[in-house]
Amino acid sequence: GAGVSQSPRYKVAKRGQDVALRCDPISGHVSLFWYQQALGQGPEFLTYFQNEAQLDKSGLPSDRFFAERPEGSVSTLKIQRTQQEDSAVYLCASSLGTASPYGYTFGSGTRLTVV
Amino acid sequence: DQQVKQNSPSLSVQEGRISILNCDYTNSMFDYFLWYKKYPAEGPTFLISISSIKDKNEDGRFTVFLNKSAKHLSLHIVPSQPGDSAVYFCAASNTGTASKLTFGTGTRLQVTL
Repeated sequence: GAGVSQSPRYKVAKRGQDVALRCDPISGHVSLFWYQQALGQGPEFLTYFQNEAQLDKSGLPSDRFFAERPEGSVSTLKIQRTQQEDSAVYLCASSLGTASPYGYTFGSGTRLTVV
Repeated sequence: DQQVKQNSPSLSVQEGRISILNCDYTNSMFDYFLWYKKYPAEGPTFLISISSIKDKNEDGRFTVFLNKSAKHLSLHIVPSQPGDSAVYFCAASNTGTASKLTFGTGTRLQVTL
């Protein structure tokens, strides 16, 4: 597609529920990033993939967070046993180049609300 | 510890005047800086960037200035237009770990008629 597509746009989860957020990057983009944006804050880095390899997961806040990109295209961010502090907008971004922040294209995000 | 700071949460400017958005950083390892613009319910879009080897970069109405000694950068928009009303995020990276961007908390710009 023309842009980075994320689904669902909105997700309401009960505390303790598992959720899966999907990202379809721009076709051919090698690099894929996940960011978490809490209300009133800037995006915070979660993890980075180059093709199917997860090269940096230093931003994942706990072992309840898991991301994968098994075929080097679509990526899924999974959050297990959601908690209220997980409520945020989850942004996915992709870029054509490798290990480069230049020319990121962000998706519109998934707004997760944990009740 | 906030490594990238945008101390003004909001700014209001009249159409046609200059908008100046400021950003400070603390990590001296940062060597590449970017500005992103964000409209409600959309993802951030890249606006302009600058490498630490430069002190100015210009693209149309947008100019970014970098003062390395002060660890300060600014975005100038001249002339400001109503369509510029959005949240602006400053971001920084260490090209040694170029995959990761550190963002500020954003400044909401309102351009009034």
